Amino acid sequence: ETGVTQTPRHLVMGMTNKKSLKCEQHLGHNAMYWYKQSAKKPLELMFVYNFKEQTENNSVPSRFSPECPNSSHLFLHLHTLQPEDSALYLCASSQPAGDEQYFGPGTRLTVT
Amino acid sequence: AQSVTQLDSQVPVFEEAPVELRCNYSSSVSVYLFWYVQYPNQGLQLLLKYLSGSTLVESINGFEAEFNKSQTSFHLRKPSVHISDTAEYFCAVSAIQGAQKLVFGQGTRLTINP
Repeated sequence: ETGVTQTPRHLVMGMTNKKSLKCEQHLGHNAMYWYKQSAKKPLELMFVYNFKEQTENNSVPSRFSPECPNSSHLFLHLHTLQPEDSALYLCASSQPAGDEQYFGPGTRLTVT
Repeated sequence: AQSVTQLDSQVPVFEEAPVELRCNYSSSVSVYLFWYVQYPNQGLQLLLKYLSGSTLVESINGFEAEFNKSQTSFHLRKPSVHISDTAEYFCAVSAIQGAQKLVFGQGTRLTINP
């Protein structure tokens, strides 16, 4: 595997379910990000991790819980989501002081 | 804080015609500027970036963008488009101090007609 991978690519979940999104980067980067891409809205930065430590939480509701066990892996744990949380969730990585972020293909989430 | 406005949500053009995708930004501090491209069912890929130096930057597939500080713009251009350029294009900005916080525009869907 090369670059940034995300699993699953598609996920349908009910509002009472708990699920997790996984991101893995094979680029040797030390910064990882979660973004939300909704229809008709700009990409929104959700979380930033540098060297496994969360450095940015962009006022994200607590039903989204990130986890970064090491610099190569990033998870987004989901629970009691709302239909308006349906979106494409993109993971990215970079060097901490780097200017270019590398994106994964995203997980298309549908909340029913 | 920074903000980005992409003035056109959709741009249809014919193959081999020139195209310009417009991007204006707002920031009280110096910024880096980016154009990302998203092909169907894929993540974003960096197309080109302005960090410093020459205000005209180019990509390997024929796109170019010019940083205009006085007009706070970073428009993307290509003199002759191909069917394979069909995609969504996102302009983004980050403060030089705090470069990890990318702020994106709403995107421009470029459709190339034969």
